[in-house]
Amino acid sequence: QVQLQESGPGLVKPSETLSLTCTFSGGSISSGSSYWNWIRQPAGKGLEWIGRIYTSGSTNYNPSLKSRVTISIDTSNRQFSLKLSSVTAADTAVYYCAGRIEVTAFDYWGQGALVTVSS
Amino acid sequence: QSALTQPPSASGSLGQSVTISCTGTGSDVGGYNYVSWYQQHPGKAPKLMIYEVSKRPSGVPDRFSGSKSGNTASLTVSGLQAEDEADYFCSSYVSSISFVFGTGTKVTVL
Repeated sequence: QVQLQESGPGLVKPSETLSLTCTFSGGSISSGSSYWNWIRQPAGKGLEWIGRIYTSGSTNYNPSLKSRVTISIDTSNRQFSLKLSSVTAADTAVYYCAGRIEVTAFDYWGQGALVTVSS
Repeated sequence: QSALTQPPSASGSLGQSVTISCTGTGSDVGGYNYVSWYQQHPGKAPKLMIYEVSKRPSGVPDRFSGSKSGNTASLTVSGLQAEDEADYFCSSYVSSISFVFGTGTKVTVL
């Protein structure tokens, strides 16, 4: 059973860097066609794709966030991570990690991690 | 990139059908057959319901179907059940090698 689980601080100060990790279990993180995504959702609002990483390390980012986002992967520990720099209150959201594993879509999701940006 | 446009709400009676639209441009919905739909219950993570416009993942009831015409994709839920009441989001691949989601539709079962 594939499972994804987000972890990281729930509170980040303005101008600092938000860091989250997603741990994958129940399958192979290195499957050739898989890629690993971060998606966020402010309270009461819609979903926003942040970016993705392949197991090769190749990345693609949302153009609107590209200057502040870094996604990395550690296949040996079955984890991938998100760093979002220079955060403001507008970055307060539930952050989801999601995988493209069996089909060409976000078919597996973590439960989500609420990150609040506040001093 | 702008969010795909969905109606804020849709409703149908138990056993009836409801159709949700998702409108984009030729650079996303109209340009690729990588449209997917997600169901989200309050406080829960989204769940994949349709991928590649009209395909259903294993375990998703055949009451859920998808289609596309031009720059608009649609999700139809037939034989509405109480548990279908949720928010629904579409998503599409974008030519800038990224993805965009729809604005979301709240489906109410009357």
